[in-house]
Amino acid sequence: AQKITQTQPGMFVQEKEAVTLDCTYDTSDQSYGLFWYKQPSSGEMIFLIYQGSYDEQNATEGRYSLNFQKARKSANLVISASQLGDSAMYFCAMGDSGGGADGLTFGKGTHLIIQP
Amino acid sequence: GAVVSQHPSWVICKSGTSVKIECRSLDFQATTMFWYRQFPKQSLMLMATSNEGSKATYEQGVEKDKFLINHASLTLSTLTVTSAHPEDSSFYICSARGGGPKVYFGPGTRLTVL
Repeated sequence: AQKITQTQPGMFVQEKEAVTLDCTYDTSDQSYGLFWYKQPSSGEMIFLIYQGSYDEQNATEGRYSLNFQKARKSANLVISASQLGDSAMYFCAMGDSGGGADGLTFGKGTHLIIQP
Repeated sequence: GAVVSQHPSWVICKSGTSVKIECRSLDFQATTMFWYRQFPKQSLMLMATSNEGSKATYEQGVEKDKFLINHASLTLSTLTVTSAHPEDSSFYICSARGGGPKVYFGPGTRLTVL
């Protein structure tokens, strides 16, 4: 069984500072994928970034980067130069890395609030 | 990125009625779609996997006779909440993979059962 742990229920960060959202995972699978999603108050799930378990380099997508430490089973999301619009719930999730036969397992989320 | 739509975006119904929610992949074909449920201030929980042309696979604890799933085509999956009750009030979200490992979600449907 897969498990995702997000230990930060909420975070307050000053605008323009960098933010690190923690995520650890547990799985017995050798091949897997790690995802981060942003959920604003509207409810939509916005895809941010993906990291495959066999990817040697950390994934980056614009201001988002994923600090993947396989031995520690962690996949922290780093947001550089935070903006007010980054305020939202952030979910870490895990799934298979291949054909998409399995749904995602989500963590409990972190509520990020960016302060001016 | 790939686009997934849902309809309706919100619905209010009386207890005992059935509600159908549609999930469509707009610019790609999806042999597999997923349905999730999210209660207020909680995370998403996978309810079932919808397979085109075959029966859905339900997660443990999800009543298949209550949550009927039909994957009629490569771009459409429907979730019908039968005989809805107030405890079924929730945010229902579907997702699909648009080729490759990335997973895209629909905008969600907020169901309120009175």
